[in-house]
Amino acid sequence: DVKVTQSSRYLVKRTGEKVFLECVQDMDHENMFWYRQDPGLGLRLIYFSYDVKMKEKGDIPEGYSVSREKKERFSLILESASTNQTSMYLCASRTTGAGRETQYFGPGTRLLVL
Amino acid sequence: QKEVEQNSGPLSVPEGAIASLNCTYSDRGSQSFFWYRQYSGKSPELIMSIYSNGDKEDGRFTAQLNKASQYVSLLIRDSQPSDSATYLCAVAPNQGGKLIFGQGTELSVKP
Repeated sequence: DVKVTQSSRYLVKRTGEKVFLECVQDMDHENMFWYRQDPGLGLRLIYFSYDVKMKEKGDIPEGYSVSREKKERFSLILESASTNQTSMYLCASRTTGAGRETQYFGPGTRLLVL
Repeated sequence: QKEVEQNSGPLSVPEGAIASLNCTYSDRGSQSFFWYRQYSGKSPELIMSIYSNGDKEDGRFTAQLNKASQYVSLLIRDSQPSDSATYLCAVAPNQGGKLIFGQGTELSVKP
């Protein structure tokens, strides 16, 4: 079974703090993704990575950065947390190849910024 | 026009009935199609993937893909209250690219 794990299930931070969310997958997947999910807005892509040290902006990258130093690990960084970054953060990893692409999500981190 | 469209619901069906969830997409060149189930407060769980036209069955679930009409559907036979969740349709416009998600359809199965 594919395992995508996230470092925290729940997190409470204060405005202005630097926040690290970590995601690890154990299936040697090339692609990894960070989303946030908010009621009424659906899943929105923040950043993704096709390979180690590679990153691409998604739809809402402002206020976030990412790091991928190892293939299995993809970190999301909130440089200076703000209350509008209170959300559910979901990491996903994906294998590619014609007819066999599948994307799996981690359990999510519910972040509250006070 | 949204790239992936789903009826938001809620869709309510009685226990034991067939639930039919539909999804349309705009990119005719899309390659891969997925259905995820998401319980309230939980992360999306992949339940079906389909890559070629026709039907794909897995237990009580059947995914149907029609690329000419640009729609993909999910049928849930013998619906159970435990099937009550939001179902997300996702489409990969090209191989290896990012998935485009619909807004999700909320399904409620009444005992």
